[in-house]
Amino acid sequence: QVQLQESGPGLVKPSETLSLTCSVSGGSISSYYWTWIRQPPGKGLEWIGYIYYTGSTNYNPSLKSRLTMSVDTSKNQFSLNLNTVTAADRAVYYCAGQAPNSNWFDPWGQGTLVTVSS
Amino acid sequence: QSVLTQPPSVSGAPGQRVTISCTGSSSNIGAGYDVHWYRQLPGTAPKLLIYHDTNRPSGVPDRFSGSKSGTSASLAITGLQAEDEADYYCQSFDSSLTGYVFGSGTKVTVL
Repeated sequence: QVQLQESGPGLVKPSETLSLTCSVSGGSISSYYWTWIRQPPGKGLEWIGYIYYTGSTNYNPSLKSRLTMSVDTSKNQFSLNLNTVTAADRAVYYCAGQAPNSNWFDPWGQGTLVTVSS
Repeated sequence: QSVLTQPPSVSGAPGQRVTISCTGSSSNIGAGYDVHWYRQLPGTAPKLLIYHDTNRPSGVPDRFSGSKSGTSASLAITGLQAEDEADYYCQSFDSSLTGYVFGSGTKVTVL
């Protein structure tokens, strides 16, 4: 059973870059489209984008200009970089898997809260 | 605001049936894209509850059922239990936004 675990700084300064990594265990990095989803405290879910093990990406147009995703198949990890962050980027960030030929998200990581503050 | 609209809250007594609506438009649900549902217990990550409009993953009780018609979808919970208190989100794809979209979320309260 595939399990996901997010890691990264819980505090980022305004205008700097938010960087998170998701570690995949119990399955192959080539098995899913690897997705990031975020949730501001007390609010709803927002799809950020996904990366496939080939490096192919699909980003939310509203975040695309600030977003970079990467995958490290040797480490079974994928990463998210969101630059020029503001307080509006404060959220719980989840990594999740999207099986090929599906358009739902399962499994999910436990999530990690990122706060933007000086 | 969310592309898919859900009621902020629904409630029911134990054993009752509640339904949660998810209203979209011609660029998402109305275009025929699948609707999926997630349950989020307090302080935890969302978990897939219904996929491809009506299908339950292994382990999800048959008290949960999904349906879709036109530009809307619905999640029904029958035999409401205290453990069903959670936030529920619908999700689909939007061709205008060229990305995945979630509903605004519905909090289910068991009276």
